Amino acid sequence: DAKTTQPPSMDCAEGRAANLPCNHSTISGNEYVYWYRQIHSQGPQYIIHGLKNNETNEMASLIITEDRKSSTLILPHATLRDTAVYYCIVRVGYYGGSQGNLIFGKGTKLSVKP
Amino acid sequence: SAVISQKPSRDICQRGTSLTIQCQVDSQVTMMFWYRQQPGQSLTLIATANQGSEATYESGFVIDKFPISRPNLTFSTLTVSNMSPEDSSIYLCSVERGVGYGETQYFGPGTRLLVL
Repeated sequence: DAKTTQPPSMDCAEGRAANLPCNHSTISGNEYVYWYRQIHSQGPQYIIHGLKNNETNEMASLIITEDRKSSTLILPHATLRDTAVYYCIVRVGYYGGSQGNLIFGKGTKLSVKP
Repeated sequence: SAVISQKPSRDICQRGTSLTIQCQVDSQVTMMFWYRQQPGQSLTLIATANQGSEATYESGFVIDKFPISRPNLTFSTLTVSNMSPEDSSIYLCSVERGVGYGETQYFGPGTRLLVL
């Protein structure tokens, strides 16, 4: 079973920030938080990942709480093309070796509305 | 990142037949995986494709039904054998480069299979 809990759906107005929450209260010290999204039956697209520090890239920001039991993915200016299912996944990280498979939950269906 | 292609992109097949799906990566990768996504469901890992040895299958998936080949570090195939309508799904390959901590998996576009 997935180790994360996400709301099943969210709406966001175009141009506004989309804040997608994820609970991972049983996360271990060596587990990373990954975010992927899947746009209408395409292959999942990697967005961002982090261990304990906040991370930012060209797509999004990832805010991880100090106790690491929850995180928030932030899309700063959502567009209609950001409408997708967003998956929050925790996975162990190893140096130089296999990181293991990703266990996908049901994710959050984000609908960006004009 | 990685550029991943899959062939075919979609197919409609008759029950009892088999289909082989190809996954090609633009550069050598250590780890390749095959996932299935049934209609309206999330992704489920079928197996890890190991180069030079047999694939490692997840619980509920067997080699006779889903034989996998991995002849080199840029290519893998998944065969869906003796298909039934329950095999109608999207099949996805993913790759991972195992350097550093917390490495990332990248997914192909998927193969959409409909079994009649």
